[in-house]
Amino acid sequence: NAGVTQTPKFQVLKTGQSMTLQCAQDMNHEYMSWYRQDPGMGLRLIHYSVGAGITDQGEVPNGYNVSRSTTEDFPLRLLSAAPSQTSVYFCASSPDLAGAQETQYFGPGTRLLVL
Amino acid sequence: GNSVTQMEGPVTLSEEAFLTINCTYTATGYPSLFWYVQYPGEGLQLLLKATKADDKGSNKGFEATYRKETTSFHLEKGSVQVSDSAVYFCALTIIQGAQKLVFGQGTRLTINP
Repeated sequence: NAGVTQTPKFQVLKTGQSMTLQCAQDMNHEYMSWYRQDPGMGLRLIHYSVGAGITDQGEVPNGYNVSRSTTEDFPLRLLSAAPSQTSVYFCASSPDLAGAQETQYFGPGTRLLVL
Repeated sequence: GNSVTQMEGPVTLSEEAFLTINCTYTATGYPSLFWYVQYPGEGLQLLLKATKADDKGSNKGFEATYRKETTSFHLEKGSVQVSDSAVYFCALTIIQGAQKLVFGQGTRLTINP
């Protein structure tokens, strides 16, 4: 049972390049989400999904796209990277999409540097 | 709106000292409250949680009590260890269509031997 996995661990991009951050979970969780972590700002929600085929925007969605074709995978796409997207990205999953009491399980993070 | 405010860091203590990290929140309705911990080079993991007023969450010697009257969820530990050095995040969940976590800015804790 691997939990939540993320690849790559670290990536350097040039401004304007595109890339996909991968996230997968093997816990059969319906709810998955992406956060970015910036110094002094905690974690902010980018996009989330309540099940395969359903996604929605979080607090800071601009510049990012997501899709959820399977329960297991929830990739995050940067279509044209900008220096403001330099951050650490965390994927998380939770078994209950509507349960406020539910713990979210986080992946180890992807550190992204945009030059 | 919904928000979480944490004590500014960084916090540096000696081993066996008493720890308090303050956390207050603003929320509509009755959120659940969480403390997550991030050890160096790792992702976040749940430390403890409380789901209703006056509940006390506890784990690994850490405690926090959900205080509705003061909208607070302060983290405490009686005797810290070097291995407690990490970044601590206070968070609440709200339901807006689906579950969403709202985080505080994090408090970096360093314990010196």
